[in-house]
Amino acid sequence: RKEVEQDPGPFNVPEGATVAFNCTYSNSASQSFFWYRQDCRKEPKLLMSVYSSGNEDGRFTAQLNRASQYISLLIRDSKLSDSATYLCAVPGGGSYIPTFGRGTSLIVHP
Amino acid sequence: ETGVTQTPRHLVMGMTNKKSLKCEQHLGHNAMYWYKQSAKKPLELMFVYNFKEQTENNSVPSRFSPECPNSSHLFLHLHTLQPEDSALYLCASSQELRDYEQYFGPGTRLTVT
Repeated sequence: RKEVEQDPGPFNVPEGATVAFNCTYSNSASQSFFWYRQDCRKEPKLLMSVYSSGNEDGRFTAQLNRASQYISLLIRDSKLSDSATYLCAVPGGGSYIPTFGRGTSLIVHP
Repeated sequence: ETGVTQTPRHLVMGMTNKKSLKCEQHLGHNAMYWYKQSAKKPLELMFVYNFKEQTENNSVPSRFSPECPNSSHLFLHLHTLQPEDSALYLCASSQELRDYEQYFGPGTRLTVT
């Protein structure tokens, strides 16, 4: 099993839709989890951090399922500007440096 | 945003050239990282520095040579690169090494001809 796995997508959704992505991880000892957003040809930018069961920020909700070892990102009322690649990062291994997934591409269309 | 800056933003170099990438963070962070991002691949960690000491070298070829003179500056020296080294090179920093959010610079898009 890869350390951090994401469905690359793309997820193609209309404006206003609710969409969710999952990210599975292999290191059961991980304590913190991160979602980053990366626009085309730009750097990743931190979207949300998850240290316990979940986190919510406006239209974005991140949830952690430790038993099944995955985190999810839910986006409600999708906007055109939400179109981007969403990267999941999970500290793994003895160094606790985050390992990044390959990202999930989201396309929100009118 | 000017938290983490990188120069140059774009670089084209021949396989026999020597060049350096520069990264500077203005966030007071203690850890700095170099990543390579190739098309359709996940971010690949290259090097990690903590309090300007290298703590990780992720099996990176010796044609890439990092330097960290202080906690705010990080360099990546390049020599005799190969075309497959063409990628986006991202610098990042975090408050501490463990379990902290990373803040990325805009990257240097490198093309090796």
